[in-house]
Amino acid sequence: NAGVTQTPKFQVLKTGQSMTLQCAQDMNHNSMYWYRQDPGMGLRLIYYSASEGTTDKGEVPNGYNVSRLNKREFSLRLESAAPSQTSVYFCASRRDRTNTEAFFGQGTRLTVV
Amino acid sequence: EDQVTQSPEALRLQEGESSSLNCSYTVSGLRGLFWYRQDPGKGPEFLFTLYSAGEEKEKERLKATLTKKESFLHITAPKPEDSATYLCAVPYGNNRLAFGKGNQVVVIP
Repeated sequence: NAGVTQTPKFQVLKTGQSMTLQCAQDMNHNSMYWYRQDPGMGLRLIYYSASEGTTDKGEVPNGYNVSRLNKREFSLRLESAAPSQTSVYFCASRRDRTNTEAFFGQGTRLTVV
Repeated sequence: EDQVTQSPEALRLQEGESSSLNCSYTVSGLRGLFWYRQDPGKGPEFLFTLYSAGEEKEKERLKATLTKKESFLHITAPKPEDSATYLCAVPYGNNRLAFGKGNQVVVIP
């Protein structure tokens, strides 16, 4: 009963390095999301994908790219990491565009030094 | 402009001391309101969905209610294991989901 799985759970990067955060869901959901969570800021939407083949910017997309690889997988890429991207990243999925709740992964704690 | 505002930001309760958390929203044409619980180091865990004013949902010591402008999460006779951050969220725009900053609850034995 995996739900939403994120990898890795922890990562330390040097400024300027690149990396990809992976997310997969096994609930046959159409919509997937990437959020970052910072103290005092709550969950902020980076990018989302309403359905396979589409992606849209959220509130804080700068410095990130995404790929909806297939219906199950939605990855987040940092091309040139900056200390301001130190955060906890959460992937989430929802069944569709209607009034359904989202389910979250366990998060990736990323530190950029 | 924030879509969702939660208050109070932090709350310390004695075990057994009931209280309420508030979530106010500004989106028009509400398409549901969701409550989540988040424990330290973990992802948010879904609790309730409310769709229309007057609706109530209950789970153990938690009861969520909804009006046209806000939602309340009532914690009745809390226990230390109810300590967590409670988040509310609303859908808006094209399939987006906006979250409040959360209510951090600590229940002291």
